Formats: sequence, C-alpha cells, structure tokens
Amino acid sequence: KQEVTQIPAALSVPEGENLVLNCSFTDSAIYNLQWFRQDPGKGLTSLLLIQSSQREQTSGRLNASLDKSSGRSTLYIAASQPGDSATYLCAASFSGGYNKLIFGAGTRLAVHP
Amino acid sequence: NAGVTQTPKFQVLKTGQSMTLQCAQDMNHEYMSWYRQDPGMGLRLIHYSVGAGITDQGEVPNGYNVSRSTTEDFPLRLLSAAPSQTSVYFCASSDRGHEQYFGPGTRLTVT
Repeated sequence: KQEVTQIPAALSVPEGENLVLNCSFTDSAIYNLQWFRQDPGKGLTSLLLIQSSQREQTSGRLNASLDKSSGRSTLYIAASQPGDSATYLCAASFSGGYNKLIFGAGTRLAVHP
Repeated sequence: NAGVTQTPKFQVLKTGQSMTLQCAQDMNHEYMSWYRQDPGMGLRLIHYSVGAGITDQGEVPNGYNVSRSTTEDFPLRLLSAAPSQTSVYFCASSDRGHEQYFGPGTRLTVT
C-alpha cells in the first residue's frame, strides 16, 4: 500500500533557527511530491512541487528535496519566523495515479519569538 | 482568477439528510478532486475526475456521489448523511501532473 509519513508530528523552535521537516513514502514509483502549508481553520496553500525527475526546488527561504531511492523528501526552512507557524503537509502522487495525492498527517510547526 | 471556490463554508446536517457540496474552478483545469480531512489524519481522496463526463472513486468513496457535467464544476453529493461523515471537505484542481490548487474547505457536522 502506498503511504506517506511525516515525522515529527509537532515541532517547536525559536525564531531564527534553520529547520528541516521530513516526509517519507513507500513507493519509489513516485510521480511528483508537493509541500503545502495549512493555517488553523484554513485551506491548503501550495509551497513547492517537485517532479520525479528533479532533485530539489527552491522558493525564497524554502528548499525542498526529493530522493526517490531512499523514499524521502525534506523541506528546509531557513531563518524561521513566527509567521511560519502552521501545519506543513506533504503529498505524493505515484505512477498510474498522477493526479491522486496521498497525504502525510502533517507536522505542526510553532516558531516562538 | 477566483481559483477554486467552495460553498457552503459551514453546514450542519441531521443523520439521514442529503446535501450537495459545491466546487468550482476558473483555471480551465482538467482534473478535479474531493478530499476529506479528519483530525490527526492526512487528507484522503473521496472521488476525482479527469475531465467532463469522467469520474472515478478514490480511497473513501462510500456514501458520496459525484458528477462532472462541465469543466468548471464538480459537486459532491452526500446521499444519506451519517455522523462518520463529519469532516472538513476540500476540493482541488490541477492540470495533468502539475501543482494542485485547493479550495478553502467546507466544515460539515452531522448530528
């Protein structure tokens, strides 16, 4: 069964710290992987999309990597700010279902001043 | 562009009632999907569509029905609401293999 796992479930860091969120998946036949941000009571905001042919994507202070052989993706957040506090979700699609996302349960991030 | 819109934002139903959750997108995307989000769990796929007139089941389709008569709209019907369907429902759209865009969600409570 294709599964996506995110560890840790929650993370609390001081402002200014660089941090890494982890996402692992069970099927190496990944099509793409997308990272989202979700604020409490809100919808999902897309942060980065990595295609299976890519190793990483960058947007501002965010960098996401993809390693198909180890079944892992990481989201790196540089110089964290209190405004980064949110739940971060990763979701993968796999060959044969390129528009069907399988989600991890998320990492709840708190950045304190 | 409004992106992906969903109505209503909130809804309370009694067990056995039926209702339709509306979803619309103005980006001319082929693909549209419905997910539900429950506490402590990731989003799970209910139904999806790869184009007008074409729909298929996702991971948790029981108790839900969909149709897609136009590119823009993808309504989700609850046939006979049950307390287990209390959840937050999200609609998404995308082009093939591209970034998926999500609506703001509908919070449904079934009593």
